Amino acid sequence: SAVISQKPSRDICQRGTSLTIQCQVDSQVTMMFWYRQQPGQSLTLIATANQGSEATYESGFVIDKFPISRPNLTFSTLTVSNMSPEDSSIYLCSFLGTQTYEQYFGPGTRLTVT
Amino acid sequence: RKEVEQDPGPFNVPEGATVAFNCTYSNSASQSFFWYRQDCRKEPKLLMSVYSSGNEDGRFTAQLNRASQYISLLIRDSKLSDSATYLCVVNRNTGNQFYFGTGTSLTVIP
Repeated sequence: SAVISQKPSRDICQRGTSLTIQCQVDSQVTMMFWYRQQPGQSLTLIATANQGSEATYESGFVIDKFPISRPNLTFSTLTVSNMSPEDSSIYLCSFLGTQTYEQYFGPGTRLTVT
Repeated sequence: RKEVEQDPGPFNVPEGATVAFNCTYSNSASQSFFWYRQDCRKEPKLLMSVYSSGNEDGRFTAQLNRASQYISLLIRDSKLSDSATYLCVVNRNTGNQFYFGTGTSLTVIP
């Protein structure tokens, strides 16, 4: 399957600042997603990154807080804006495989907001 | 009611043991089913897709029971390296509607 990478792998940020996380897949994929995983919890879908159009956000997540870009079929970014300590989490991107809806995840970005 | 429910464990089993996890899902429209493995501080990795007829991959067997709306994962001859959290994932084949269980923690003890 395709290889997916994220950067940064981790960051420590100050309250009120923003961080942009990049996700790169080494081949074209149709659907890409952004998830959050808080300590000891399962994954929560933030949004589906749509190529060439606005992302589709899940309930509880808004574009102003988590703007997403998807300029092409191999790349997406997620920005965590105006961060607070509650945003401390692991952020994961993923893409949908070509068979039976399996997903493949990037290595994650571990964000700590102080 | 949650879309997907798993027993969080932890399951602590000796090497060589057989261990089984169950996962129930609430929506009968669910179409695709998966088991993922997540090691501590790592991303989830696809372990197995679960097919209607059941499927086996080495020591791992996955089964689907649509009537009772659950999927299971059986691990035979447990190895120390099997220690991880196992996530049950369900999809309705509608693109982005994935539902994750909270995971079942397994520790294999020497």
